[in-house]
Amino acid sequence: NAGVTQTPKFQVLKTGQSMTLQCAQDMNHEYMSWYRQDPGMGLRLIHYSVGAGITDQGEVPNGYNVSRSTTEDFPLRLLSAAPSQTSVYFCASSYIGANTGELFFGEGSRLTVL
Amino acid sequence: AQSVTQLGSHVSVSEGALVLLRCNYSSSVPPYLFWYVQYPNQGLQLLLKYTTGATLVKGINGFEAEFKKSETSFHLTKPSAHMSDAAEYFCAVSDNDYKLSFGAGTTVTVRA
Repeated sequence: NAGVTQTPKFQVLKTGQSMTLQCAQDMNHEYMSWYRQDPGMGLRLIHYSVGAGITDQGEVPNGYNVSRSTTEDFPLRLLSAAPSQTSVYFCASSYIGANTGELFFGEGSRLTVL
Repeated sequence: AQSVTQLGSHVSVSEGALVLLRCNYSSSVPPYLFWYVQYPNQGLQLLLKYTTGATLVKGINGFEAEFKKSETSFHLTKPSAHMSDAAEYFCAVSDNDYKLSFGAGTTVTVRA
C-alpha cells in the first residue's frame, strides 16, 4: 500500500544546477500538487494538476516546472536552482468531487541549494 | 482567494491540560476547513475537516473543532493533552475539497 511516493528524500545542489523531484501515487487520484514548506511560512502551493495533461500555477510557481503525462506521476522540475529554493518539498494527491477533503502527502524531499 | 491565520507559532501545555489552537480564515465563498498534523520528518495527515452540516467536528486522537461563521474561526481543541500530541498543526481552507491553502502552523510541546 504505497500511497504517495517521493524521490529523492534528500538532495544537495549547487546554484544553477537543475533537477527533478519525482512523485507517484497509486490511488488513482485526479488531483496532484506540490507544496514547499519553510519555517514560519507553512506550506505554500507551487503547482497543481486536476488530471493528466492539465496543470496550473499555485502561489509560488517561479523557478519550477511541472507536467502530468499520466494520472500516477507528477514530477517537479527545478530549472536553475537558487539558494532561495532550499526547502522541504511535499507532493500531495486527492480525489476530486468525492467531498473527502483529504490530501494524501508523501514523506517529503529535503533540498539544499548551495 | 482564501487565507488562514494561525494565532501563536508555539504552544506549550502540560500533560492532561486543555489544548487550544486558534485558526481564523478568510474566504469569499462558504469554506471547506481542515486541520492537519505533522510529526517530525513526516508528511501531513488529516485530523478533521468541516465541509457542510454540523459545525462541531470530531476528528482522530480526541481532537475536535468548531466552525463559527460569525467569527470566521475554526479553533482546534483537545480536553486532555498526551505526550504523543507533540507535533506541528496546520489549519487549512479551501473553496473546494482538494486545493488547500495552509496556515503557518503551530508547534505543540507537551510537558510531563
